[in-house]
Amino acid sequence: DSGVTQTPKHLITATGQRVTLRCSPRSGDLSVYWYQQSLDQGLQFLIQYYNGEERAKGNILERFSAQQFPDLHSELNLSSLELGDSALYFCASSVDHARVDTIYFGEGSWLTVV
Amino acid sequence: GQQLNQSPQSMFIQEGEDVSMNCTSSSIFNTWLWYKQDPGEGPVLLIALYKAGELTSNGRLTAQFGITRKDSFLNISASIPSDVGIYFCAGQFRDSNYQLIWGAGTKLIIKP
Repeated sequence: DSGVTQTPKHLITATGQRVTLRCSPRSGDLSVYWYQQSLDQGLQFLIQYYNGEERAKGNILERFSAQQFPDLHSELNLSSLELGDSALYFCASSVDHARVDTIYFGEGSWLTVV
Repeated sequence: GQQLNQSPQSMFIQEGEDVSMNCTSSSIFNTWLWYKQDPGEGPVLLIALYKAGELTSNGRLTAQFGITRKDSFLNISASIPSDVGIYFCAGQFRDSNYQLIWGAGTKLIIKP
């Protein structure tokens, strides 16, 4: 158990819909990362937050947005969903944005768009 | 953008064999990390490397930070069934604003 909690674990939704994925970081971690992993693909970095502020942005679509709340949990919002958005979405956390060797991943949220 | 070339993409090996995989980049990296992802789970850090030439072991796993700082290698000795999974390299290059760049992964399959 990495200490990073993601909900829901599985989600099936229709095209055009909107979903929200939630992440609770490890206790004491201030930085949260979101990654997308399509079937048999590598990890695509989406976005990073540090202590409530956006820290870095990767290949995140305009239909996607995220935020980190004062209690440090984070949400990833996916809207106008398309079939190609079906993927495993990982949240990860680290103690600070510079310590890449302290990044711990959650178990992921499986999103299936039908 | 920056990319890591990880090879091989997949490996079919016999139990007991040694395994080697590597990652290369056109940029100089400050940190190399090796992760393993079991099916349906998130990646877990195996080994972290911080300086050129560094050789670090974690049980049967050994990783090296290349002398040129543009590559890294992971070796698994005497593979066992639980080694099955996807191995990812990740690196932090100079001027990357602390961001990690990820390889595409090496899928390890062990024939019983």
